[in-house]
Amino acid sequence: AQTVTQSQPEMSVQEAETVTLSCTYDTSENNYYLFWYKQPPSRQMILVIRQEAYKQQNATENRFSVNFQKAAKSFSLKISDSQLGDTAMYFCAFCPVAGGGNKLTFGTGTQLKVEL
Amino acid sequence: SQTIHQWPATLVQPVGSPLSLECTVEGTSNPNLYWYRQAAGRGLQLLFYSVGIGQISSEVPQNLSASRPQDRQFILSSKKLLLSDSGFYLCAWRRGVINEQFFGPGTRLTVL
Repeated sequence: AQTVTQSQPEMSVQEAETVTLSCTYDTSENNYYLFWYKQPPSRQMILVIRQEAYKQQNATENRFSVNFQKAAKSFSLKISDSQLGDTAMYFCAFCPVAGGGNKLTFGTGTQLKVEL
Repeated sequence: SQTIHQWPATLVQPVGSPLSLECTVEGTSNPNLYWYRQAAGRGLQLLFYSVGIGQISSEVPQNLSASRPQDRQFILSSKKLLLSDSGFYLCAWRRGVINEQFFGPGTRLTVL
């Protein structure tokens, strides 16, 4: 079974600054996907970024980028030029390529607050 | 484009009453569908998933059940609600081979 750990329950950052959210996971799988989801106060889950484990290059989506360290089983999210709209709960998630259902395993989340 | 709907958005039910939450997906065919529950201040717990009509896999033993009567319809049910069933219920569908899941707007269930 896979586990996903987010060790930072809460974080805050000043507007326009950069913040990094941590995520580690444990798995015996070699082929999998990793995701970061954002859940704003509306509670809608929004996909932020994904990373395929077979790719060495770190994924980027505009102001969002990841630092994927496969050997260390680490998958951190960096948000550059933080904006007030980035205030949300952020969840890291793991999904194996093999296995029935392609189920996501989520971490417990990090509440990010962007301040003026 | 694909969209996913859930209703109702909010529900308050007494203990022991039945439950039916509905999820429908538009703009795709034969999606994998998922039901998650999120307790207050916590992450998401997978309850059920379905790879096709009439095919349901249960992840957590409980008094909830799921059904998939049509390709793009996924229903979460209970015959008798418990206080512990309160939470935020999210439906999701999986896109293609990338394993990305896209979520509906959710249903906030309060059992009194």
